[in-house]
Amino acid sequence: GAGVSQTPSNKVTEKGKYVELRCDPISGHTALYWYRQSLGQGPEFLIYFQGTGAADDSGLPNDRFFAVRPEGSVSTLKIQRTERGDSAVYLCASSVTSDNTDTQYFGPGTRLTVL
Amino acid sequence: GQNIDQPTEMTATEGAIVQINCTYQTSGFNGLFWYQQHAGEAPTFLSYNVLDGLEEKGRFSSFLSRSKGYSYLLLKELQMKDSASYLCAVRPLGYSTLTFGKGTMLLVSP
Repeated sequence: GAGVSQTPSNKVTEKGKYVELRCDPISGHTALYWYRQSLGQGPEFLIYFQGTGAADDSGLPNDRFFAVRPEGSVSTLKIQRTERGDSAVYLCASSVTSDNTDTQYFGPGTRLTVL
Repeated sequence: GQNIDQPTEMTATEGAIVQINCTYQTSGFNGLFWYQQHAGEAPTFLSYNVLDGLEEKGRFSSFLSRSKGYSYLLLKELQMKDSASYLCAVRPLGYSTLTFGKGTMLLVSP
């Protein structure tokens, strides 16, 4: 079956602009995770959803970052007033549930460049 | 908090065996994962350990010692396509999310 998909694959924007990044998880997966990966670093947790609700948003760096998952499937990560430091690859992952044995499957990511 | 350490880079020859180590310090532990990530691509799941010991899966094996906060990924019969970054990740106790190390870039040469 289809894996996790993310759109767009690349996004270039100017400082101060608003961007939305979309994630389509694997069908049937109830848990969805957003991570951010900078060059030469491992992925860094941002937020995770169990169903429609954000179960843990402790990784969001500040209030410019927000994410939604209104119907428990597709999720959108929203970044307001983008800054150059927001440039990174934003990865989405999903798992069947959020149980500790469940494997997270990653999408290809969206490469965000803030000029 | 969590602190995960793994070597930055390793090199090996095609057909050889390589061991990538990962040490972690965490206030609670609920499983360790290894992922492979080729440049510009998504991390792909390789292995999961929650109990001490060795898990073998084809050419790849992963070992865990919880008392030592230590894991390794063993890759046998290396192939050129194994050139990638290998990410060690810990799932802290009480959390569903993963904390990743910085990754080990493995370069396999002919």
